[in-house]
Amino acid sequence: DAGVIQSPRHEVTEMGQEVTLRCKPISGHNSLFWYRQTMMRGLELLIYFNNNVPIDDSGMPEDRFSAKMPNASFSTLKIQPSEPRDSAVYFCASSFRGETQYFGPGTRLLVL
Amino acid sequence: SQQGEEDPQALSIQEGENATMNCSYKTSINNLQWYRQNSGRGLVHLILIRSNEREKHSGRLRVTLDTSKKSSSLLITASRAADTASYFCATDSGGSNYKLTFGKGTLLTVNP
Repeated sequence: DAGVIQSPRHEVTEMGQEVTLRCKPISGHNSLFWYRQTMMRGLELLIYFNNNVPIDDSGMPEDRFSAKMPNASFSTLKIQPSEPRDSAVYFCASSFRGETQYFGPGTRLLVL
Repeated sequence: SQQGEEDPQALSIQEGENATMNCSYKTSINNLQWYRQNSGRGLVHLILIRSNEREKHSGRLRVTLDTSKKSSSLLITASRAADTASYFCATDSGGSNYKLTFGKGTLLTVNP
């Protein structure tokens, strides 16, 4: 079992650029979660999907953030335009019918 | 918003000693989970305790839950240097969406 796969693992970009983070959940899992982790704010839930449908995006900071899940095996989190305050580690997690969540290794984003 | 609040924020002990971390939360829960995060990695699920359970064991881990006080504790016995990590509690408030709310974590350092 490959676990949750995220790419890229590291991303360095300049302010104003578009950033796309990718996630492949564990096969068979029907819930997918995007989190952001910073020292100041801890682990924040941005958005989550059940059966590819966005359920709650109240954690998305602002309109610059968007997420899609076109099928059960792929999701993207896009930031456009990026700002230095978006610098953080972004995690994707998946679960089957809830309860235990399985986290990916994260994408470390630095916006200069 | 953060529901779980871990205490202490940081804990440093010697190998072989026991480590106890506490978590308090505000609203009623369906279950409470503990996760571990090694530096630079994603979170890993450790143990889940349901609202109708008071204590649960898994290997060297012991979790207690007091719903009247809205608190939980995680005990790691006979700690090892490899237990050095951040530990997070996460609460599931029920419903069918399986949304978890994480605390800010306790950083445990086990000195060899």
